[in-house]
Amino acid sequence: NAGVTQTPKFQVLKTGQSMTLQCAQDMNHEYMSWYRQDPGMGLRLIHYSVGAGITDQGEVPNGYNVSRSTTEDFPLRLLSAAPSQTSVYFCASSLTRDRGENYGYTFGSGTRLTVV
Amino acid sequence: QQQVKQSPQSLIVQKGGISIINCAYENTAFDYFPWYQQFPGKGPALLIAIRPDVSEKKEGRFTISFNKSAKQFSLHIMDSQPGDSATYFCAASPNTGNQFYFGTGTSLTVIP
Repeated sequence: NAGVTQTPKFQVLKTGQSMTLQCAQDMNHEYMSWYRQDPGMGLRLIHYSVGAGITDQGEVPNGYNVSRSTTEDFPLRLLSAAPSQTSVYFCASSLTRDRGENYGYTFGSGTRLTVV
Repeated sequence: QQQVKQSPQSLIVQKGGISIINCAYENTAFDYFPWYQQFPGKGPALLIAIRPDVSEKKEGRFTISFNKSAKQFSLHIMDSQPGDSATYFCAASPNTGNQFYFGTGTSLTVIP
């Protein structure tokens, strides 16, 4: 049981390049989400999904796309990287809230992205 | 607009002391309030959580106090240890969905 696996751990991009951050979970969680973490700003929700084929925008979705073709995978695509997207990105998953008393996110270990 | 306001931004406590981190919210649809602990280079990990039908929840040295009328909740770490040094995030989730809204984090340093 690996939990939430994110790849790559580190990435440097040039402005205008595109890339996909991978996220996979093996806990059969319905809910998956992407956050970015910036100093002094906490964790901000980019996109989330409540199940395969269903995605929605969070607080800061501009410049990012997501898709959810399977329960396990939830990739995040940067369409045209900008220096403002330099951040640490976390993928997280959980059961839907009606499944348990102490439901909460399981986070991946993060991807540190630098856009130059 | 920050949905969950967290303070202080940083906190230094001596070993054996009590660490207190506070959070406040406005959205009355929030009905689940977890705290996460994050060590450098790692993802946040769920520490303890509370629902608004109780005023306090304790797990070991960690206690959440919840004041529904004031829309505030806090994390108390008793007998703080150097190993507790980490960043702590409060969060809130609405009764209408699975999203979590996070505070801006508190960097806790426990000095020996």
